Amino acid sequence: AQSVAQPEDQVNVAEGNPLTVKCTYSVSGNPYLFWYVQYPNRGLQFLLKYITGDNLVKGSYGFEAEFNKSQTSFHLKKPSALVSDSALYFCAVRDETGGSYIPTFGRGTSLIVHP
Amino acid sequence: DVKVTQSSRYLVKRTGEKVFLECVQDMDHENMFWYRQDPGLGLRLIYFSYDVKMKEKGDIPEGYSVSREKKERFSLILESASTNQTSMYLCASSLGAVQLSNGYTFGSGTRLTVV
Repeated sequence: AQSVAQPEDQVNVAEGNPLTVKCTYSVSGNPYLFWYVQYPNRGLQFLLKYITGDNLVKGSYGFEAEFNKSQTSFHLKKPSALVSDSALYFCAVRDETGGSYIPTFGRGTSLIVHP
Repeated sequence: DVKVTQSSRYLVKRTGEKVFLECVQDMDHENMFWYRQDPGLGLRLIYFSYDVKMKEKGDIPEGYSVSREKKERFSLILESASTNQTSMYLCASSLGAVQLSNGYTFGSGTRLTVV
């Protein structure tokens, strides 16, 4: 079985400060991991994914995520937050060796960047 | 850029009505998906399709059906709308065999209210 958890419903950060949005996962085999962003009244946009290789993955809009196998985490990061980064962020996981082809999405974390 | 277009941004329907939500993608993607998004519950998969005329149940198919007569179009049907189907509905598509872990491209969503 595969599962994903986003332990924070909301993250608040001041503009210019670094931000982290947390994601932990559980799979039987190797994980495929994804981050998506959703701006108000819009669909989700793909940010980045980890399949294999370098543990640090770079994505759109200056975001990056670090895969940590020992901690089963895939936290989303950005060195300097912008007010325009305020949005809902979703982590998703798929088990490479599992029976389901479809990723499981987390419940989402609302990021609020204060001016 | 791939575009996934959902025909309506907002819909208001009456209880018991048959409701059609349409989704069209323009990049020849094999896979298409319907999710509903509710606060605190994240994204839940209703149905998906990996080929024309093929469909698979997701996690919450009850009360819904789908149709994929052409590769580019995936329709979600609420056979008899109920108030508990009031939600944001998101269509998505992805390239390649469904077993692959390509990212999804999402539509902008349809916010359905059943009164």
